[in-house]
Amino acid sequence: DIQMTQSPSSLSASIGDRVTITCRASQTIHTYLHWYQQKPGKAPKLLISVASNLQSDVPSRFSGSGSGTDFTLTISSLQPEDFATYYCQQSNSDPHTFGQGTKLEIK
Amino acid sequence: EVQLVESGGGVVQPGGSLRLSCAASGFSFSSYWMHWVRQAPGKGLVWVSRIDYDGSSTIYADSVKGRFTISRDNAKNTLYLQMNSLRADDTAVYYCARNRDGRYDQWGQGTLVTVSS
Repeated sequence: DIQMTQSPSSLSASIGDRVTITCRASQTIHTYLHWYQQKPGKAPKLLISVASNLQSDVPSRFSGSGSGTDFTLTISSLQPEDFATYYCQQSNSDPHTFGQGTKLEIK
Repeated sequence: EVQLVESGGGVVQPGGSLRLSCAASGFSFSSYWMHWVRQAPGKGLVWVSRIDYDGSSTIYADSVKGRFTISRDNAKNTLYLQMNSLRADDTAVYYCARNRDGRYDQWGQGTLVTVSS
């Protein structure tokens, strides 16, 4: 199985900060990498697909990049509603696997 | 509006069984592969199982293989997860999710399964 490792596991930041979360795959996954946001008690929400494709209902302050084994999710200017847990997920091969999550907290 | 609504969760004793359902609406259910993903309390997302369009192909996580069975009824627009020989470490919120080109673009609200004596 492909292992997905996110860093950091948790992050404290302030409103307006630029934040970057990293996801690394244990082998190449090309660009079959997707990002999700999850708020407490809610289902995950798809933010970005195939590494950099922003979903239509997601603000443009979110962006994704990377290919191969290394990927990043960037939030350009944190807003109050962005404090949540973020997960990456690979779909290059079965079984699909998720990163362990990055909890973004208010400083 | 696309909707996925899970049901069937609850409290069950170790060794017991439960069947989860996921009712789909607002899209052509039979055109999508469907998955189950679970999340133990305070933990991350873990993929559980997948079924193709007509149920002819299924796969499972090693942790549930031989105990869980995924199925679907396209006439009823419903996905199922039969869970047998439940263990304490199966305690989790179970989500059904629609998969499109590898990404999970729609999720249900989740149903909580608690395995406890």
